[in-house]
Amino acid sequence: ETGVTQSPTHLIKTRGQQVTLRCSSQSGHNTVSWYQQALGQGPQFIFQYYREEENGRGNFPPRFSGLQFPNYSSELNVNALELDDSALYLCASSFSLGSSYEQYFGPGTRLTVT
Amino acid sequence: AQTVTQSQPEMSVQEAETVTLSCTYDTSESDYYLFWYKQPPSRQMILVIRQEAYKQQNATENRFSVNFQKAAKSFSLKISDSQLGDAAMYFCAYRRGLNRDDKIIFGKGTRLHILP
Repeated sequence: ETGVTQSPTHLIKTRGQQVTLRCSSQSGHNTVSWYQQALGQGPQFIFQYYREEENGRGNFPPRFSGLQFPNYSSELNVNALELDDSALYLCASSFSLGSSYEQYFGPGTRLTVT
Repeated sequence: AQTVTQSQPEMSVQEAETVTLSCTYDTSESDYYLFWYKQPPSRQMILVIRQEAYKQQNATENRFSVNFQKAAKSFSLKISDSQLGDAAMYFCAYRRGLNRDDKIIFGKGTRLHILP
């Protein structure tokens, strides 16, 4: 069974640019959540996708957007990058929607905005 | 809004000793889950232990156990026989039950050092 994978591992971008981060869910999982973890902080929920539809969203501006594909892999897109977007971005997949299902985390993508 | 507070930014414990990490939370919900996650330098968030709010019995997983005090909204993690591999950031986390928006709310974390 393959775990959650994320790419790239590290990324450096310039303020104002756009970035796409990718997440491959664990086999059989149809739900994916994205979190932003700033340095020295706990992860903060960005949004969740269930069967290709956005299911919930945290307190993040519209320039943070996502997609989930038919194979349940996912992308996080951030437009007009700001310095404060520098963080570790984690995705987590679960078997289905609902709090009884454990979320399995990937190793994250470290984004640095200069 | 739900919040999770970890008041100990860092802790140290001697190898083979016992350490307790503290966590308090605030919620008006009656149905929820509480978690402790471990994040080693590899960055991968690993679930250590989970507690359902409706269960009065404290969860245990080998050397890890919790003290869940629902009325006090307290959820501490005890690590017995600490090992060098336990060194990591530990996050206390909350998740509402039976809700479509099943996001996890994390505390700021406690960095645990294991002294050989």
